[in-house]
Amino acid sequence: NAGVTQTPKFQVLKTGQSMTLQCAQDMNHNSMYWYRQDPGMGLRLIYYSASEGTTDKGEVPNGYNVSRLNKREFSLRLESAAPSQTSVYFCASSEGVTLQETQYFGPGTRLLVL
Amino acid sequence: KNEVEQSPQNLTAQEGEFITINCSYSVGISALHWLQQHPGGGIVSLFMLSSGKKKHGRLIATINIQEKHSSLHITASHPRDSAVYICAVRGSNTGNQFYFGTGTSLTVIP
Repeated sequence: NAGVTQTPKFQVLKTGQSMTLQCAQDMNHNSMYWYRQDPGMGLRLIYYSASEGTTDKGEVPNGYNVSRLNKREFSLRLESAAPSQTSVYFCASSEGVTLQETQYFGPGTRLLVL
Repeated sequence: KNEVEQSPQNLTAQEGEFITINCSYSVGISALHWLQQHPGGGIVSLFMLSSGKKKHGRLIATINIQEKHSSLHITASHPRDSAVYICAVRGSNTGNQFYFGTGTSLTVIP
């Protein structure tokens, strides 16, 4: 049981390049989340998926798109990376969307945009 | 303005000391979480609270809904407790808006 896995662990991009961050969970959770963490800002929600087939914007969705490919996988795409998107990205999952449930976090992806 | 404020921002303690980390929030909430982020970056959920008190090993979390305040206590602290502790709340009237504190960086010295 791997929990929440993320790939890649590290990535360096040039401004304007695109990439997709992958996230998968094997806990049969309904809800999945993408966060970014920046120094002095705490974690901020980018997008979430309450259940398979649905996605919703969080606090900072601009510049990102997401796909809930199936119940297990939730990907985050940067179509045209900008230096402001340099951050650490965390994927998380929970059994339900109410956040009464515990969220389980992936190990994070460190992204540097030059 | 941050909806969740933590104090202190940084904390250094000697091994064995009793530690308290505080979290205050300004929104109505349905639940409050304490998270632990290890030096390598991984995040672990420690507690989810909607009222009262919870205990897990040497960790105790309390919440006072009326005062909009929560505390995380660590008894008999150990160097392996060194981490960043993050308070997170979900607003009760804000759909799925989550609010996170900026974290308290704890270092426990042997």
